Order: sequence, then C-alpha cells, then structure tokens
Amino acid sequence: DAGITQSPRHKVTETGTPVTLRCHQTENHRYMYWYRQDPGHGLRLIHYSYGVKDTDKGEVSDGYSVSRSKTEDFLLTLESATSSQTSVYFCAISESGVPADTQYFGPGTRLTVL
Amino acid sequence: DAKTTQPNSMESNEEEPVHLPCNHSTISGTDYIHWYRQLPSQGPEYVIHGLTSNVNNRMASLAIAEDRKSSTLILHRATLRDAAVYYCILRLSSNTGKLIFGQGTTLQVKP
Repeated sequence: DAGITQSPRHKVTETGTPVTLRCHQTENHRYMYWYRQDPGHGLRLIHYSYGVKDTDKGEVSDGYSVSRSKTEDFLLTLESATSSQTSVYFCAISESGVPADTQYFGPGTRLTVL
Repeated sequence: DAKTTQPNSMESNEEEPVHLPCNHSTISGTDYIHWYRQLPSQGPEYVIHGLTSNVNNRMASLAIAEDRKSSTLILHRATLRDAAVYYCILRLSSNTGKLIFGQGTTLQVKP
C-alpha cells in the first residue's frame, strides 16, 4: 500500500470555525490532490499540487485553500467552515501528472460541520 | 470534460466472471482509460488502465473496443471482496493528472 496518511480521520466542528486537514505521504511523489465525496456527486477535485509551493484549483475550490511547504505534506484549510462542507475528504498522490500515471488514495477524513 | 457512461448497478454470483461495461464515445486519441474501485468506507483504489490494447494484471483484465469508444473491465472470478463501486475514468492528455469521477457501477456479489 502507498504510504499515505490523513489526519484527523474524523472531525466534528461548528459553523464558522477554521479547520485544517493534513495529508502526509512517504512516497516522495510530486503530485498531491484533495477530493471530496458526497452522496449523489461521486468524488470531486478541490485542489491539487504539482510540487512544493505549486498548487492549482479543481472543480469545487470555493471556500477552500491549500498549502504545500514540503513534498510530503499537503494541507487543506476551510477558513470558515459551513454545513455544505460536511463531507468525506480524500487525499491522493501520484508520481507525475501524465495520463498513464496512477493515483493512490488515502483512507479519508470524515468532516461534520454543525 | 470527457464523459463516461456506466450502468448504475450490476449483480454477480461468487466465483463467476463479471463484465463491467463503460461507454466513452468522446474519447480522443491520447486519452487513457482508467478503472478504479471503491470498497465500502475506503478510498478509491487503482484497478487497471489502458490506451489501445487489451491489458491484464493480477486484479483484472481490460478489453478496449477497436474504435476505443467503449471498454469492459473483466473480473475473472468474482469474490465477495470484489463488491464495490467501480469507476471508469478517462485520463485526458491535457488536464494535468486530474481524475474526473462519474457515478460508477455498484457491483453486488452474491454468495
């Protein structure tokens, strides 16, 4: 299994509070991704990173920011959590961004915003 | 974004082969076909991918139509552990590694 951990695994928070989710990898892969999964929507890309300090938006980036100061860590921040951000969040990594490459997913973080 | 079409659900009996279809009529020449699956309460996991030729690995086989507008994921002998949501995804040559997930096919395996 690819060495990907996510923390925390579960979190309950209140509307308006800041939340940071962490993805940590031990594979030294260049690309890292954050997805969210909601019933009826499948997985949707929030943000991704193609190197240290290099990030770009995905299809559902509003209300989220990311940072990557080290190869192994990719942080997802909800500056002011809303109930619509209740979801399961998955981190993924890949060696490169080429179409033949494989993505490896972490175990997920279940976030509930009350 | 390139779109794939899969049946919402399928059933199989344990120990029997399963053929999961996917239509991708808008595929272009450099787009790869990827399959991932997601077991209950887990993150997606890679199954197989291909470009033009049929592919085999320890998990499954991928059969790609000659015109590349459709493909079939083949599980040779389904087990109860294969019950999952299976996603057929086009990896576009232009979109920097992003995976665009559809709704997938929920596979139920009966003992």
